[in-house]
Order: sequence, then C-alpha cells, then structure tokens
Amino acid sequence: DAGVIQSPRHEVTEMGQEVTLRCKPISGHDYLFWYRQTMMRGLELLIYFNNNVPIDDSGMPEDRFSAKMPNASFSTLKIQPSEPRDSAVYFCASRRTSGGAGTDTQYFGPGTRLTVL
Amino acid sequence: LAKTTQPISMDSYEGQEVNITCSHNNIATNDYITWYQQFPSQGPRFIIQGYKTKVTNEVASLFIPADRKSSTLSLPRVSLSDTAVYYCLVGTWYSSASKIIFGSGTRLSIRP
Repeated sequence: DAGVIQSPRHEVTEMGQEVTLRCKPISGHDYLFWYRQTMMRGLELLIYFNNNVPIDDSGMPEDRFSAKMPNASFSTLKIQPSEPRDSAVYFCASRRTSGGAGTDTQYFGPGTRLTVL
Repeated sequence: LAKTTQPISMDSYEGQEVNITCSHNNIATNDYITWYQQFPSQGPRFIIQGYKTKVTNEVASLFIPADRKSSTLSLPRVSLSDTAVYYCLVGTWYSSASKIIFGSGTRLSIRP
C-alpha cells in the first residue's frame, strides 16, 4: 500500500492567496483527519470525516479554512485568504474502523509544509 | 475528554531502557491509551495501545496500573534512531464527542 499521500509537500505563498492542500487516504479507510502542527501549539486536530461526511470541524480555526471530501479517495483543505499565521505543517491521516475495541490506528501522511509570506 | 500530561523532554544514552510516563487522571471507563512516535519532518506513527495491565509488542511495552490514571511507555535498549517526540493519547472512537488531543508530547533525545 502507498500509504496516505499528500500534495504538495511544500507550499510557499503570499498573504491573501488561496491555498489548497490535497490528501489521498489509504484505500478502504473510512475516516480521514486533517491536523495542523506548529511549534507553539503542537499537533491540533482541525476536522475529521467519516465515510466522506464531516463529523467534527470544531478545530477549524476560522471561516478562512474549509475542507471537503467529495469521495472516499480524495480530500482537500483550503485556506482563503491565507495569512502568515497559517504557516505550519498540515498532516492528513486516515484509519479503518475495525469494529473491535479501542481506538483504531491512524496512518499519517508525510505532511505539507506551508509558508505564508 | 481525558487530558494527558507528559514530561516535555527526556535524555538518555544508547543501550539504556527509557520509561516515559503519562498522567491521565480523568480517564473514562471506555478510554484506551495509545502512544505515537514522531520523527522530524514525518507524521506521527502508532507504537502501542492498551487498556489495562501490560501490553508488549516488538517495539515497546506499555504498563498501565489498576487505577489507569497513568501509563508508562517503556523502550528497551534505545538507539540513536529512537530520538523522536512521543505522544500519549487517551480516548475512544466510539463516542460522538471524542476528539484527539495529542498534546505537546515528550521529546526524547538519545546520545551515543
């Protein structure tokens, strides 16, 4: 399996521009998560989907952020307009509900390093 | 939601056993304890998960006392490649109010 795929790996943009981050989860996984990681705030959950439906977006910082999952194999996280404080590494993760006890393992992508100038 | 508390950083030497303790005083009955490892420029990776007593796999052991208010990740005979950030998570995916809180993690540095 190729694992979770994210693109681009690096993005440098100017303040005010629209940024779109992309994620392809592992095939067969029914949950998809978007995280943001910074030195100051650590790893934060932004939003997660179950079977392509957004379940909890309470971590999305503000209306400038939006996420979609049009199908089981693709998701986007969009920032419009972008600001310097959005600079961070954005991770996508997916997992498959096993039906067993406990919390199923999340598999993380390599992340997208976003720099907003 | 159960909040976790871990040491910010730890140092050790190659070949030593390293124990990282996580406190989770308000853990719920259905909550599991999960540990992840993160190397620089990579996403976190699952290490081990447990509910009570002891769990062991090829990478680590997880010790959970009877009251489950804390847990200890044990890494036997660490090497330089174990230098990473380790996160302790508590929760369950079967509650509509569940939310992942990775916290700041423990930055483990292994020296030769």
